Amino acid sequence: EAGVAQSPRYKIIEKRQSVAFWCNPISGHATLYWYQQILGQGPKLLIQFQNNGVVDDSQLPKDRFSAERLKGVDSTLKIQPAKLEDSAVYLCASSLVRRPEAFFGQGTRLTVV
Amino acid sequence: GQQVMQIPQYQHVQEGEDFTTYCNSSTTLSNIQWYKQRPGGHPVFLIQLVKSGEVKKQKRLTFQFGEAKKNSSLHITATQTTDVGTYFCASKAAGNKLTFGGGTRVLVKP
Repeated sequence: EAGVAQSPRYKIIEKRQSVAFWCNPISGHATLYWYQQILGQGPKLLIQFQNNGVVDDSQLPKDRFSAERLKGVDSTLKIQPAKLEDSAVYLCASSLVRRPEAFFGQGTRLTVV
Repeated sequence: GQQVMQIPQYQHVQEGEDFTTYCNSSTTLSNIQWYKQRPGGHPVFLIQLVKSGEVKKQKRLTFQFGEAKKNSSLHITATQTTDVGTYFCASKAAGNKLTFGGGTRVLVKP
């Protein structure tokens, strides 16, 4: 079974630029999460989808971050414009609705300079 | 919202020794999950506990859920260099919202 795929693996941008991350969850997983993990901290939930609907986006900085999950499969997370404090690893995870475990992708390491 | 706090933040362990890391919540949790993240890697699910006082073992790892379902512990016996990494507790709330603690970073001295 293929795992959660994310791209790109690394991205370096200047502040005020835009960036987008892509995630392809495990086939059949209705729940998709985007997390931000700053170095030395635990993953912070940014947004959670169930199929193509948003379940929770309470910690998403909506003035600069946006996410979508068209057709309930792939998802993109966008930052526009980026700030220095957005430097982090962005992790995508997926899970089955009635199973406990979340499966994580390798993450995208974003550096904003 | 639901928050889980982990202590200690760092744990330096001599190879062969035992250690315990703790996860605490101010509210009652419906479940507790544990994940391991190797350096440079991504979190990997280890286990979920759902019952009050539940204890589960995976080889040298023992996981416990408190009687009041407000705390959990992970105990590792005879630490090995392969145990290096960060251990996170997490909890799934209504709607499958999965919230993580800050993690315990484990370093093993050979």
